[in-house]
Amino acid sequence: DQQVKQNSPSLSVQEGRISILNCDYTNSMFDYFLWYKKYPAEGPTFLISISSIKDKNEDGRFTVFLNKSAKHLSLHIVPSQPGDSAVYFCAASALRTGANNLFFGTGTRLTVIP
Amino acid sequence: EAQVTQNPRYLITVTGKKLTVTCSQNMNHEYMSWYRQDPGLGLRQIYYSMNVEVTDKGDVPEGYKVSRKEKRNFPLILESPSPNQTSLYFCASTTWGQETQYFGPGTRLLVL
Repeated sequence: DQQVKQNSPSLSVQEGRISILNCDYTNSMFDYFLWYKKYPAEGPTFLISISSIKDKNEDGRFTVFLNKSAKHLSLHIVPSQPGDSAVYFCAASALRTGANNLFFGTGTRLTVIP
Repeated sequence: EAQVTQNPRYLITVTGKKLTVTCSQNMNHEYMSWYRQDPGLGLRQIYYSMNVEVTDKGDVPEGYKVSRKEKRNFPLILESPSPNQTSLYFCASTTWGQETQYFGPGTRLLVL
């Protein structure tokens, strides 16, 4: 049973516009959420994260929003650049249980069109 | 340079021929993990290790074995590979108090 879901397999955005990637989760024990970015032939690399005590975290062009009541998070990229084209994975963990295990979504392939 | 390395990067084998994929990290991390990535399924955890000699099953452990004899190494063993184990495999590591995991470059395995 997929505990973390990314319902959009792909997204295309014009350069300079906003990219919004969405993620939903089902496990209420999750208290930490991360976004990873993956280029072809490379491993996933950490992009940005958010703790469940916050509803927003910003790092440069990247902002993650968390809506705990809806069990939903989103990643906003503004402005989008061609180098942002990659597969983005949402992940969640239940750190308060003492576990480092990550549960991943299925990924969203973002294409930024120049 | 802090990194997670995996070998081999690409492997083609036949059903039933035992193989090992090595994983090594140079960051003194306690926690290490193996994932497989399949189309439409994302990354799924196979096994993880919280420290030397401590391993446990993830979501999809069937057909795999692991060992953690040294802190830096966490090999993934396929005793009798089958075609449904054709996949892209990632090793990852982290340390306590650090929420993010660091991933290796991946091993693409094809079992014929």
